Amino acid sequence: GENVEQHPSTLSVQEGDSAVIKCTYSDSASNYFPWYKQELGKGPQLIIDIRSNVGEKKDQRIAVTLNKTAKHFSLHITETQPEDSAVYFCAATLLHGKLTFGQGTILTVHP
Amino acid sequence: GAGVSQSPSNKVTEKGKDVELRCDPISGHTALYWYRQRLGQGLEFLIYFQGNSAPDKSGLPSDRFSAERTGESVSTLTIQRTQQEDSAVYLCASSPNSATNEKLFFGSGTQLSVL
Repeated sequence: GENVEQHPSTLSVQEGDSAVIKCTYSDSASNYFPWYKQELGKGPQLIIDIRSNVGEKKDQRIAVTLNKTAKHFSLHITETQPEDSAVYFCAATLLHGKLTFGQGTILTVHP
Repeated sequence: GAGVSQSPSNKVTEKGKDVELRCDPISGHTALYWYRQRLGQGLEFLIYFQGNSAPDKSGLPSDRFSAERTGESVSTLTIQRTQQEDSAVYLCASSPNSATNEKLFFGSGTQLSVL
């Protein structure tokens, strides 16, 4: 089955800096790659996603890049703000919504 | 309500007891999913419903776990003879259409603690 590795496990940045989280996946047939943000005591919330026919997608301060050949994808957050502090999860899937998640990255943005 | 609703938000039970966890998906969403999140870890897929049918139960860890969905709406996840390793947050998600990998909308989860 699919296996998703996510790095780093923790990331600490100063407000205004950029943050990058990277994931690799094992199944070359996977075709959908969402990113979720999870705040304490809440369920994960989708923040951006990308499909395998697209190399890059941007939404305001958030962008995701996908390299199908290398089987990795990354989340980029620019001009970080304290409210960006949360746990971020990447995921990959081929079939329906059976997402395989990475282990998560705890992002801390210091004011 | 506007989002996925799960109840109870917290459940404490004794080892060996049965528990039922409830999920109310977003109205009109045909696909419903259950995931488990152990402390400090990612989410593990448990089961997926399309309508009232469960085409994929491959993530259920043992025969103590079962789930059903009725009226293409509410779903219940039942854990029989709970064990301490069942302690986790159980998350439910729904999406408009599983066939096209539509976005998943998660509830806030049920924190299950087995003493």
